[in-house]
Amino acid sequence: AQSVAQPEDQVNVAEGNPLTVKCTYSVSGNPYLFWYVQYPNRGLQFLLKYITGDNLVKGSYGFEAEFNKSQTSFHLKKPSALVSDSALYFCAVRAAGSGNTPLVFGKGTRLSVIA
Amino acid sequence: AAGVIQSPRHLIKEKRETATLKCYPIPRHDTVYWYQQGPGQDPQFLISFYEKMQSDKGSIPDRFSAQQFSDYHSELNMSSLELGDSALYFCASSLGQGREQFFGPGTRLTVL
Repeated sequence: AQSVAQPEDQVNVAEGNPLTVKCTYSVSGNPYLFWYVQYPNRGLQFLLKYITGDNLVKGSYGFEAEFNKSQTSFHLKKPSALVSDSALYFCAVRAAGSGNTPLVFGKGTRLSVIA
Repeated sequence: AAGVIQSPRHLIKEKRETATLKCYPIPRHDTVYWYQQGPGQDPQFLISFYEKMQSDKGSIPDRFSAQQFSDYHSELNMSSLELGDSALYFCASSLGQGREQFFGPGTRLTVL
């Protein structure tokens, strides 16, 4: 069975500082990994994904994530946080090559960027 | 670019009533997924369709049913509504199996 852990319910960071939102996963075989962002009363917006290839993935709005197979992690990072980055962030996983299996989401991490 | 459309955006129902939620995927997308997100919760997978056939089933109650039509839009039918069904219901679509999913804005269902 697939699972995702986001160990932090809340992350606070000052504007301009780097941010990290942690994610670890468990899946049989190779993973497909995703990050989504959710603003209040809005849908989920796709940020980035890891399917194969380079372990460092660059996505929307200056975000990036690094796939670490040995640590089964896919932490989301940004070099310089903006107040507008404040939102709820979800990490999701599905097993590679498993046809049409749905995403399994983590519990979400609320990011608060303080001016 | 066209996105996933969901209607209605908000819906208020009484207990034991029925509700129908609609999802229009991104043009050419052939796969639709339904997720339920309770207050303060992560999205939970309900059901998915690929090429108009059910492809996977998650934690969808027996009171709920869904289908995908010939134009690839999907409807989630919910009967005998309970207070606990109050949630944000997301539809997502993808082009083919195993590709990234693009989410709609969600339908917020409130059961009174």
